[in-house]
Amino acid sequence: NAGVTQTPKFQVLKTGQSMTLQCAQDMNHEYMSWYRQDPGMGLRLIHYSVGAGITDQGEVPNGYNVSRSTTEDFPLRLLSAAPSQTSVYFCASSYDRAPGTEAFFGQGTRLTVV
Amino acid sequence: GQQLNQSPQSMFIQEGEDVSMNCTSSSIFNTWLWYKQDPGEGPVLLIALYKAGELTSNGRLTAQFGITRKDSFLNISASIPSDVGIYFCAGQELSGNTPLVFGKGTRLSVIA
Repeated sequence: NAGVTQTPKFQVLKTGQSMTLQCAQDMNHEYMSWYRQDPGMGLRLIHYSVGAGITDQGEVPNGYNVSRSTTEDFPLRLLSAAPSQTSVYFCASSYDRAPGTEAFFGQGTRLTVV
Repeated sequence: GQQLNQSPQSMFIQEGEDVSMNCTSSSIFNTWLWYKQDPGEGPVLLIALYKAGELTSNGRLTAQFGITRKDSFLNISASIPSDVGIYFCAGQELSGNTPLVFGKGTRLSVIA
């Protein structure tokens, strides 16, 4: 049981480049989300999805796109990378968004934009 | 956006000591969760609380859901070196249709 798998684990981008961070879960979870973690800022929600075909913005969505074509996958796209997007990105999934539903996290993608 | 106030930001304690950290919110929450993050890893759920006043233990960890629904604390008893990491509280508002909100974390260091 792999849980939540994120790839790549590390990435360096040049300013203006685009890339996609991959997230896959094998638990048949409906609810998936992307967070970024910066020093002293905790975890901030970027985008989330309550099911295939449905996405919504979180607290810090600018500069990021998401899509949810399948239950298993929830990729995060950086359209034109900026140094301010240097961060550690975490994908999480849970069975649904009902109160008290546990969120399982991936191991993170450490992104540096130079 | 909605944020939780988590304190302290960091703690340095001697091995064997007890630890206490807490989170407060301006909103009423119907769920409180406590996560631990080891270096280079994603957060892992430690304890989940679903009812006001609920007190739940997981080994040396004890957490409580405040009566006002606006706060929660986590205690760690008899700390050991592997307790080192960042502890996050997370909550979900009463409406139940909002995503989890996370505190900024408490960085715990244990001195042997």
